[in-house]
Amino acid sequence: GESVGLHLPTLSVQEGDNSIINCAYSNSASDYFIWYKQESGKGPQFIIDIRSNMDKRQGQRVTVLLNKTVKHLSLQIAATQPGDSAVYFCAETPGGSNYKLTFGKGTLLTVNP
Amino acid sequence: NAGVMQNPRHLVRRRGQEARLRCSPMKGHSHVYWYRQLPEEGLKFMVYLQKENIIDESGMPKERFSAEFPKEGPSILRIQQVVRGDSAAYFCASSPLQGDEKLFFGSGTQLSVL
Repeated sequence: GESVGLHLPTLSVQEGDNSIINCAYSNSASDYFIWYKQESGKGPQFIIDIRSNMDKRQGQRVTVLLNKTVKHLSLQIAATQPGDSAVYFCAETPGGSNYKLTFGKGTLLTVNP
Repeated sequence: NAGVMQNPRHLVRRRGQEARLRCSPMKGHSHVYWYRQLPEEGLKFMVYLQKENIIDESGMPKERFSAEFPKEGPSILRIQQVVRGDSAAYFCASSPLQGDEKLFFGSGTQLSVL
């Protein structure tokens, strides 16, 4: 999950396992949430998004869960593959400022073959 | 179908020099955003521009930093008199519509200040 420390939280999984990456947010006014994947030396790549009027959204091999009561967001990756190895960021934005994303510190996912 | 193009990929400057970072948005996108990423940190918003207009620069440092997006050509992020603390990855993103949250990011420019 997210951390206020200096080092990225890390998650190491075996190829084929499911991965769950967590994120806590603090702004109760946030109404739009996005997960980004960032590979080494590249910019963030959009994975999946969810609005605050939903609590679950599914994509291809990925599911995002939103718990507004405890301000918690999670990204589930099914059948994790080596190509999923990257840093994953959650980002949030309050209503009315959709481009001013607030990113978390990120979680490093390592998939072992 | 080129994505957001940023150059240079790596830029090395000595303290006191100027840094110019360029960003060409995706074809058809007229909204450009600059973000900065420090090591092991998330990206932080700096500025939002449309052609010839700065829409929101609330994340830009008050001094030494400026951005433009001229009618013709790429968007430029300019840092004058760079200091070591400016060392970071600078990412540009673009979107086709105002208020579109789905930003498409470039690969970034890694600025190193010696």
